[in-house]
Amino acid sequence: GAVVSQHPSRVICKSGTSVKIECRSLDFQATTMFWYRQFPKQSLMLMATSNEGSKATYEQGVEKDKFLINHASLTLSTLTVTSAHPEDSSFYICSARGTSGSAGYEQYFGPGTRLTVT
Amino acid sequence: AQRVTQPEKLLSVFKGAPVELKCNYSYSGSPELFWYVQYSRQRLQLLLRHISRESIKGFTADLNKGETSFHLKKPFAQEEDSAMYYCALSADNTDKLIFGTGTRLQVFP
Repeated sequence: GAVVSQHPSRVICKSGTSVKIECRSLDFQATTMFWYRQFPKQSLMLMATSNEGSKATYEQGVEKDKFLINHASLTLSTLTVTSAHPEDSSFYICSARGTSGSAGYEQYFGPGTRLTVT
Repeated sequence: AQRVTQPEKLLSVFKGAPVELKCNYSYSGSPELFWYVQYSRQRLQLLLRHISRESIKGFTADLNKGETSFHLKKPFAQEEDSAMYYCALSADNTDKLIFGTGTRLQVFP
């Protein structure tokens, strides 16, 4: 149990376009989901905290108008990279925090989405 | 500012040797410390957390507030322990995780 999926796993888009990444908790409800960014050979950097039914909380230095986050249900959060540029190319990882039960309060991580902007 | 430091990018040992992956943190409050592991081609997963004080896969980690450290130890490394290990900190009453840069552990036969 406690599986988090991301879709797509890999996406290539042209500069100036927008791309949406989905994060789903498959077998538990997650009131809170987190979005991270990981550059090659670097650590995960928290971008934002996504709470179901409310606005996301962005970390300092992360442009909220560029990285749109929507957490419309207890099992789905989406990250939309708007007007993508090559410097947005990165590995984006989400995690979902369980609320109780078998998932507990641990954060479960998705497999990540590799975004390449050409 | 909250910060997690893992000084070693790569640690190579032979099977059966002891392993210690170092982690130091800076935080003025009472942090919660974690170790996460990422095996090849797999997602990040929780290995252990300091509040549970348990041993997972033979690994232990003790929080030393005086030295602000949370080193991960295993007395006898196994080949299947080869992976990327991340130390992470969660600040008071938040779920936000601050990760270190990670240490790649290679265990040779």
